[in-house]
Amino acid sequence: DSGVTQTPKHLITATGQRVTLRCSPRSGDLSVYWYQQSLDQGLQFLIQYYNGEERAKGNILERFSAQQFPDLHSELNLSSLELGDSALYFCASSVALGRRTQYFGPGTRLTVL
Amino acid sequence: TQLLEQSPQFLSIQEGENLTVYCNSSSVFSSLQWYRQEPGEGPVLLVTVVTGGEVKKLKRLTFQFGDARKDSSLHITAAQPGDTGLYLCAGVGSGGGADGLTFGKGTHLIIQP
Repeated sequence: DSGVTQTPKHLITATGQRVTLRCSPRSGDLSVYWYQQSLDQGLQFLIQYYNGEERAKGNILERFSAQQFPDLHSELNLSSLELGDSALYFCASSVALGRRTQYFGPGTRLTVL
Repeated sequence: TQLLEQSPQFLSIQEGENLTVYCNSSSVFSSLQWYRQEPGEGPVLLVTVVTGGEVKKLKRLTFQFGDARKDSSLHITAAQPGDTGLYLCAGVGSGGGADGLTFGKGTHLIIQP
């Protein structure tokens, strides 16, 4: 158990819909990362937040957005969903910025029908 | 864009055999990490290599970072069924800014009893 929690574990929805994935980082960790894992693209970095502020963006689509709240939990919002958005979405956390160990949550499996 | 290529993509061997997994890039990374991921779980960090030429051992696993910090290898001696899983290499960028990891697509390893 990494100490990072993600909800829900599974999510099934239809094209065009909007969903919110939630992540609670390890106690004391200020930095949160979101990754997407698909069969064809592998594990890809989407976005990073640090202490409530957006820190960096990776391969995140404009239809996706995220935020980190004062209690440090984070939400990833996916809108206008397409079939290709079906994937595993992982949240990771680290204690601070820089080359810190990232601890991954168990993931949310999103299926878009 | 920094890319990491892993080989082989799939490997199925008998218990007791040795194997090597490779991770190659045309880019230089400040450090490189190896993760292991099991079905239904997030990646778990095995090791971080930082210095060119560095070798680290974790029981039967030996990790090496290339002299130019562009490639790495994972060697498993006397593989056991418990080693079965998805092995991912991840590069930590050499510049400032984003701490998001760049992952290879992984090596699916099956150790048959």
